[in-house]
Amino acid sequence: AQKVTQAQTEISVVEKEDVTLDCVYETRDTTYYLFWYKQPPSGELVFLIRRNSFDEQNEISGRYSWNFQKSTSSFNFTITASQVVDSAVYFCALSETDDMRFGAGTRLTVKP
Amino acid sequence: ETGVTQTPRHLVMGMTNKKSLKCEQHLGHNAMYWYKQSAKKPLELMFVYSLEERVENNSVPSRFSPECPNSSHLFLHLHTLQPEDSALYLCASSSRFDRGGSYGYTFGSGTRLTVV
Repeated sequence: AQKVTQAQTEISVVEKEDVTLDCVYETRDTTYYLFWYKQPPSGELVFLIRRNSFDEQNEISGRYSWNFQKSTSSFNFTITASQVVDSAVYFCALSETDDMRFGAGTRLTVKP
Repeated sequence: ETGVTQTPRHLVMGMTNKKSLKCEQHLGHNAMYWYKQSAKKPLELMFVYSLEERVENNSVPSRFSPECPNSSHLFLHLHTLQPEDSALYLCASSSRFDRGGSYGYTFGSGTRLTVV
């Protein structure tokens, strides 16, 4: 069975702080994919990153970085020097051979 | 513009009304999905269509009736809803060969439904 846990329900930071959103997953498959999506107030889920289970290389994209560790089944997301526009709900998701399953989401509020 | 368009953006309906939500994509995808997002709950997968065939129905009450007339359009017909059905309804699409979501789904902006 697939399961994605985002233990942090809500996080509030002040602008320019770094923040890490945690994601822990469970799967019995050796081939799977992990994702992060951002849901701004407008509603749509915006794709941020995709990782396959064979690629543990961490990735950096501007102020965003992702740390994938199979040993701890975690796929954490860090925003460096956060900005007010980063305020949103962030979802981690897991996909194997069937459809994607999402975590409960973490609501990030960045205050000016 | 995400490539997946949902209408209407907001809908308020009475419990005896019948309404429909519409989803349209022109991304060349041939799998489409309905998700329900309630306050403080995870995203719930409701229905999956692959090549216009319903391939998954996650124990959704019969007051929700999906329709997929072609690979670009998906509807969710609503009738005799309950107040607890108030939620954000999100449509998504992907390639049929990517139902596992290995390239991710493309989501619409959702329809915010309020049942009064």
